[in-house]
Amino acid sequence: DAGVIQSPRHEVTEMGQEVTLRCKPISGHDYLFWYRQTMMRGLELLIYFNNNVPIDDSGMPEDRFSAKMPNASFSTLKIQPSEPRDSAVYFCASSLGGQGINQPQHFGDGTRLSIL
Amino acid sequence: QQPVQSPQAVILREGEDAVINCSSSKALYSVHWYRQKHGEAPVFLMILLKGGEQKGHEKISASFNEKKQQSSLYLTASQLSYSGTYFCGVGYGNQGGKLIFGQGTELSVKP
Repeated sequence: DAGVIQSPRHEVTEMGQEVTLRCKPISGHDYLFWYRQTMMRGLELLIYFNNNVPIDDSGMPEDRFSAKMPNASFSTLKIQPSEPRDSAVYFCASSLGGQGINQPQHFGDGTRLSIL
Repeated sequence: QQPVQSPQAVILREGEDAVINCSSSKALYSVHWYRQKHGEAPVFLMILLKGGEQKGHEKISASFNEKKQQSSLYLTASQLSYSGTYFCGVGYGNQGGKLIFGQGTELSVKP
C-alpha cells in the first residue's frame, strides 16, 4: 500500500513568495495532520482534519498560514507571504478514524522548506 | 501542554539497555511512541492507553503509569538500528486525534 505522499520534497524560495505544500493521505484514513519540525521548537501540530473538516487549527502560527482539504485524498498547506522563520520540515500524517487518538499516525517523508 | 522526555540524549554500546521516560503534568489518555532517523519521517512504534498496560514487540516495550502520568520506553539488548530520536506523543482525553509531542530523546548505539 502507498503511504502518505507529500510534494514537493524540497522547496527553496525567496521571502514574500507564496508556498504551497501538498499531501495525499493513505486511502481510507479519516484523520489528516500537518506538523512543522524545527530544532528549536521540535514537532508541532499545526492543524488537523477529520473527514475533511478542520477540527483544531490552534497551532497555525499566524494568518499567513492556511490549510484546506477539499476531498478525502488531498490537502494543501499554504504560506503567503513566506518569511525566513518559516523554514522548517513540514510533515503530513494520516490515521484511521474511530477514536483517532487510539490510532497510529503514518507520516509522509516531509517537505524541507527553505525561505531565503 | 508539552510532555517532558528524559533523558535528552543517551549513548549506548550494542547490547546495552536504555529507558526513556515521558512525563505529563496533565492526566493522560494515550501515549504514542515514534522513532525518527536523521533526515527521515517519524515511524510509529506503539500506542499505550490509560490502564497501566505494557506493550512491546521484539526487544522494545513500553509501560504506562496512570498514577504518575508517565510512560516509559524500554530498549533491551540494543542494536545499531535502534539509533535515532525517540518521541512520545500524548493525547489528553477527548481531543479527537490530537497529539502533543515531547522534545525527543536522541539515542546513539555504538558498536
